[in-house]
Amino acid sequence: AQSVTQPDIHITVSEGASLELRCNYSYGATPYLFWYVQSPGQGLQLLLKYFSGDTLVQGIKGFEAEFKRSQSSFNLRKPSVHWSDAAEYFCAVVPNTGGFKTIFGAGTRLFVKA
Amino acid sequence: NAGVTQTPKFRVLKTGQSMTLLCAQDMNHEYMYWYRQDPGMGLRLIHYSVGEGTTAKGEVPDGYNVSRLKKQNFLLGLESAAPSQTSVYFCASTLTREGAAFFGQGTRLTVV
Repeated sequence: AQSVTQPDIHITVSEGASLELRCNYSYGATPYLFWYVQSPGQGLQLLLKYFSGDTLVQGIKGFEAEFKRSQSSFNLRKPSVHWSDAAEYFCAVVPNTGGFKTIFGAGTRLFVKA
Repeated sequence: NAGVTQTPKFRVLKTGQSMTLLCAQDMNHEYMYWYRQDPGMGLRLIHYSVGEGTTAKGEVPDGYNVSRLKKQNFLLGLESAAPSQTSVYFCASTLTREGAAFFGQGTRLTVV
């Protein structure tokens, strides 16, 4: 079945430590890939997206993500986490085989400890 | 530039009452979407529109209706609210089918 999986419901990292949030998708062809961030009480904001080309994409707020076709993954990374990065992060895909909807993962909540 | 604006931001309904949620975007986007967000379930698509005058069902359409009479507005209606519709509702728009989504700030709806 087509799906987007974020294996970690929540992650806690220390401020200044590196971060990696995992995302795996299950689609026949490589979909369009996105990461969004949601701060408490807010809507979702786009961090970065991958359509094609360079498999390492840069986003806002110092985030980057790497597309790995062989692993059907699109993991989000940040070298040094700031307290303001505490939020919920959603991986999302738009299938390129038609249809008009973005499929969201269940989200990973990031906690940052001082 | 307001982007995507949702009204109201909060609402409490009694079971059986009706209401309409309004979404307005000023980016001339063709595609608009209504999602609901529930703990541990991510965002689920309720209905969407691919242009003025069009609507289509998403993943969880039961109990909801929508209309898109003007390109910039997408309305979500609940004809007879049920406690199961307690949720946070988000409107989003995209310029193209695969484009990045712009979200409103959400409407927190409680049905008692």
